[in-house]
Amino acid sequence: GAGVSQSPSNKVTEKGKDVELRCDPISGHTALYWYRQSLGQGLEFLIYFQGNSAPDKSGLPSDRFSAERTGGSVSTLTIQRTQQEDSAVYLCASSPPPSGRADTQYFGPGTRLTVL
Amino acid sequence: AQTVTQSQPEMSVQEAETVTLSCTYDTSESDYYLFWYKQPPSRQMILVIRQEAYKQQNATENRFSVNFQKAAKSFSLKISDSQLGDAAIYFCAYRKGYGGSQGNLIFGKGTKLSVKP
Repeated sequence: GAGVSQSPSNKVTEKGKDVELRCDPISGHTALYWYRQSLGQGLEFLIYFQGNSAPDKSGLPSDRFSAERTGGSVSTLTIQRTQQEDSAVYLCASSPPPSGRADTQYFGPGTRLTVL
Repeated sequence: AQTVTQSQPEMSVQEAETVTLSCTYDTSESDYYLFWYKQPPSRQMILVIRQEAYKQQNATENRFSVNFQKAAKSFSLKISDSQLGDAAIYFCAYRKGYGGSQGNLIFGKGTKLSVKP
């Protein structure tokens, strides 16, 4: 079956602009995660959605970052008033319903964001 | 807070030989999971192997195996009969519990593995 897909693959924007990054999880997966991968900070957790529960936003670096998940499927990560330090690869992952232990996270190919 | 440390930023191995990548972690939890992911130049993170902390037996997946030392909080990855396609950045990751707010992965900084023909 299809894996996690993300769009766009690459995004170049100017400082101060807003951007939206999209993630389509694997069908039937209830959990969805956003991570950021940057040279200086490595891989960082941003936000986590599990079914209809309130998202875990504990990893969002500032209030310029927000995310939503519509209908328990597609998710959009929005970065407002982008800064150069937002330049990174944004990875999305999904995992199946909790079925006991160690739900594996399946990753998309990421969106490379460059803020000029 | 949990942390994951990979002390080898880069490693190199000859094709067909064996290489071991190191990972240590710090946690006060007793229930957790450990993973190795690889990230080739395509950027796609691919699960290599996973280990549940409650299992004493080391996980194996074909040419990949781990040496899980719970008391020492060590989780190394051994790649046998290395192939050119194994060249990638390898990330060690930790996850406590399951489901709920405990679900996010904590990653090490990665080890870039080169495979020489």
